Amino acid sequence: GAGVSQSPSNKVTEKGKDVELRCDPISGHTALYWYRQSLGQGLEFLIYFQGNSAPDKSGLPSDRFSAERTGGSVSTLTIQRTQQEDSAVYLCASSLYLRAPITFGSGTRLTVV
Amino acid sequence: QQPVQSPQAVILREGEDAVINCSSSKALYSVHWYRQKHGEAPVFLMILLKGGEQKGHEKISASFNEKKQQSSLYLTASQLSYSGTYFCGTETPGSQGNLIFGKGTKLSVKP
Repeated sequence: GAGVSQSPSNKVTEKGKDVELRCDPISGHTALYWYRQSLGQGLEFLIYFQGNSAPDKSGLPSDRFSAERTGGSVSTLTIQRTQQEDSAVYLCASSLYLRAPITFGSGTRLTVV
Repeated sequence: QQPVQSPQAVILREGEDAVINCSSSKALYSVHWYRQKHGEAPVFLMILLKGGEQKGHEKISASFNEKKQQSSLYLTASQLSYSGTYFCGTETPGSQGNLIFGKGTKLSVKP
């Protein structure tokens, strides 16, 4: 596609429920990143994929968070048993190759009530 | 591991200059600069890959001092459109591509 597409754009969920956030990167981009941005805060690195593999998962905040990427394209970030502190904007980004300029999606605003 | 940006915020009048600094406690492989306007996604400005390299984007340029493990972003003759939050992202050798961003510098340009 023309840009990085994320869905849903907004998600309100009840505490304790699981959520799935989807990212469709720019076609042909091999590297895919997930970041989290809390209100007025910086960009917290979560995980990145080179192809389908994630060399470093240490940025994920807890074992409630997991991510996968299939077919070198679409990625899903899953948060289990959501907590209020998970409320944030989750940004996905992709780049043509590792260390190239990255293009961000518009994000998914997650609100846990 | 997170780079430190300074200042945290700066207010300018149109036409004034500003410098935003980004420092790391670790050796750097590359430095990325992005700008985020309110309610929008961050947008790429430039990447610096070599020590001492300087790049430009319109009236925005940046330098990368590998020895000092820091980068600076220079905004000259600022325009209203420069307002936003500027983030530096750093990659260290052996980081396997992890791009870690600083907390950002909020720039406000007033008429």
